[in-house]
Amino acid sequence: GAVVSQHPSWVICKSGTSVKIECRSLDFQATTMFWYRQFPKQSLMLMATSNEGSKATYEQGVEKDKFLINHASLTLSTLTVTSAHPEDSSFYICSARASGHNEQFFGPGTRLTVL
Amino acid sequence: EDQVTQSPEALRLQEGESSSLNCSYTVSGLRGLFWYRQDPGKGPEFLFTLYSAGEEKEKERLKATLTKKESFLHITAPKPEDSATYLCAVPSNYQLIWGAGTKLIIKP
Repeated sequence: GAVVSQHPSWVICKSGTSVKIECRSLDFQATTMFWYRQFPKQSLMLMATSNEGSKATYEQGVEKDKFLINHASLTLSTLTVTSAHPEDSSFYICSARASGHNEQFFGPGTRLTVL
Repeated sequence: EDQVTQSPEALRLQEGESSSLNCSYTVSGLRGLFWYRQDPGKGPEFLFTLYSAGEEKEKERLKATLTKKESFLHITAPKPEDSATYLCAVPSNYQLIWGAGTKLIIKP
């Protein structure tokens, strides 16, 4: 149980293009989903928290117009990196949490490389 | 301020050499302490939740324990496949406060 998938697992794009990453909870309903980024040999950095049907809450320093988050259903959240630049290259990981629980279950991550 | 500190930063063991990883925390009103394992290039894998002092949980060669100030992840007779970064976290204001992790390397 508690499986979270992400798609794609890796993506390479040109500077200036937009990239969408999907996060799905496969066997439970995720009332809250989280998006993290992680640089090599560093800790997870929370970017934003989204509750199903609500606008995402972004952490300080994260541009909401650049990182668009949609949590349209209890099993799907998407992160769109708009007008990507090389400095956006990173490892993006989503997690999902069911209502009434504190544990977060993580997806396998998406490696984004912007050329 | 809620805080989580893990030690050591890195730990190298020989296969079969048991040891423990530490996670110290300060949080107002503990609502669980979580242990995760993260392999390079992958998302964290959930291992355990501990809720109250004295609680213990086991999974294969791993056993997690909890006191009022810290948690230990004991690894017994580790194998090379146990090599990973082990992370602990506590919930705070609907988020997780993460430790920096312990990178565990098990040499055959």
